[in-house]
Amino acid sequence: EIVLTQSPGTLSLSPGERATLSCRASQSVPGSYLAWYQKKPGQALRLLIYGASSRATGIPDRFSGSGSGTDFTLTISRLQPADFAVYYCQQYGITPPITFGQGTRLEIK
Amino acid sequence: QVQLVQSGAEVKKPGASVKVSCKASGYSFTSCYMHWVRQAPGQGLEWMGIINPVGGSTTYEQKFQGRVTMTTDTSTSTMYMELRSLTYEDTAVYYCARGLLWLRSEFDYWGQGTPVTVSS
Repeated sequence: EIVLTQSPGTLSLSPGERATLSCRASQSVPGSYLAWYQKKPGQALRLLIYGASSRATGIPDRFSGSGSGTDFTLTISRLQPADFAVYYCQQYGITPPITFGQGTRLEIK
Repeated sequence: QVQLVQSGAEVKKPGASVKVSCKASGYSFTSCYMHWVRQAPGQGLEWMGIINPVGGSTTYEQKFQGRVTMTTDTSTSTMYMELRSLTYEDTAVYYCARGLLWLRSEFDYWGQGTPVTVSS
C-alpha cells in the first residue's frame, strides 16, 4: 500500500500569508490520483483538490494543488481566517486500499 | 443539494456489534459508490471499504475482512456499515463518503460522522 507522509504536522501562519503543505508518497501515485481535503471541527470533510491540481466545485482559486509522482503540494495563496483547519491528502491511484496522510494542522499564529 | 446524513453516536461494549447508517439525498442514489472511512482519536483517516448501491458488491480493506459488512437499501437511499467483535481500538468517528468511480475516485461529499465509543 502507498503510505502518505504529510509535513509539517502543524503550520502556524497569519492571515494574508501563504501556506505550503506537503504530501509525500512512499511510491509513485499513478495518474496523479491525489486529492486534498479540509476538515473543520463539527463540519464534514470538504474536497478541495482532485487529480493533484483540479479544484473541486466552489473552491476559491487561492487554493491550488501541484505535483506528480511522489511529491505533492497544496498551496493557499492568501490565508483567510476560514482557512485555518486540518488538511489531509489522499491517494486513489493504487487501490485497494485508498490511503490518507495523517494530516497537517494549519493554525493561526 | 447532495447530503449524506449519518446516524447518531453509539456506545458499545467490547465484543458487541455496531451498525451505522448513511442516508443520501439530492442525487440519484444508484449513480455513485459509497465508501466508509474512520478516524480514531488522534489518528489519521483510515479507509474501510466501498459498496456499489447497484447489486451491493463490495471491496473491503483487508484488516476489516470478516468483521465488516456494508449494505444498501435502495428503497430508502440508505447505506449501512456493520462492524462486529468490537474492541477498544474500534473507538473512532465513522464517515460515509461518496465516490463517482469504483475505487479510483476522490470523495466529493462526506457525511458528518458518527462517533462510536467502545467501553466496558
